Amino acid sequence: GENVEQHPSTLSVQEGDSAVIKCTYSDSASNYFPWYKQELGKRPQLIIDIRSNVGEKKDQRIAVTLNKTAKHFSLHITETQPEDSAVYFCAAHPKGSQGNLIFGKGTKLSVKP
Amino acid sequence: DGGITQSPKYLFRKEGQNVTLSCEQNLNHDAMYWYRQDPGQGLRLIYYSQIVNDFQKGDIAEGYSVSREKKESFPLTVTSAQKNPTAFYLCASTWDSGGASANTGELFFGEGSRLTVL
Repeated sequence: GENVEQHPSTLSVQEGDSAVIKCTYSDSASNYFPWYKQELGKRPQLIIDIRSNVGEKKDQRIAVTLNKTAKHFSLHITETQPEDSAVYFCAAHPKGSQGNLIFGKGTKLSVKP
Repeated sequence: DGGITQSPKYLFRKEGQNVTLSCEQNLNHDAMYWYRQDPGQGLRLIYYSQIVNDFQKGDIAEGYSVSREKKESFPLTVTSAQKNPTAFYLCASTWDSGGASANTGELFFGEGSRLTVL
């Protein structure tokens, strides 16, 4: 079955710097890759996603890149702000898996003012 | 106001007791899910249901049970057989459970229920 590895587990950056979180997946048939942000004590919320027919997607300060050959995808946050501090989860959706996302273990991002 | 509601937010249980966590959605989603979240472990799937009166085990179903008698509701029972039940439990739903189409959809999560065993 699908396996998703996420790195790093913790990341600390200075406000204004960029942050990059990387994930690898094992099932080449996976076709959908969302990223969720979970603030302390709150529910995870989708921040950006990418499908397997696209290599990159941007939404303001957030971008996701996908390399299908290498089976990895990354979240890029530019000009980080203290409110970006949260736990970020990547996930992969194996095709035909009946909607079951496989999540990475999460990255705790701390943005220091 | 559409959404997915979990209750209670906090729950304490004595060892040997069963407890039931509620999950209700008014988004008209077909598929519903229960995840368990432990520090450093990410989100692990307990059970999921794609249609009423049908549900499937996830990766860590032992010690848990569910029912899906109504489309809107997917309660989770943590039984006394669950050896380490203290955790944060998240319910989620989505409209596209098949996954085979190009419209695989966003998971909408509830606020979560934190269960502590005393």
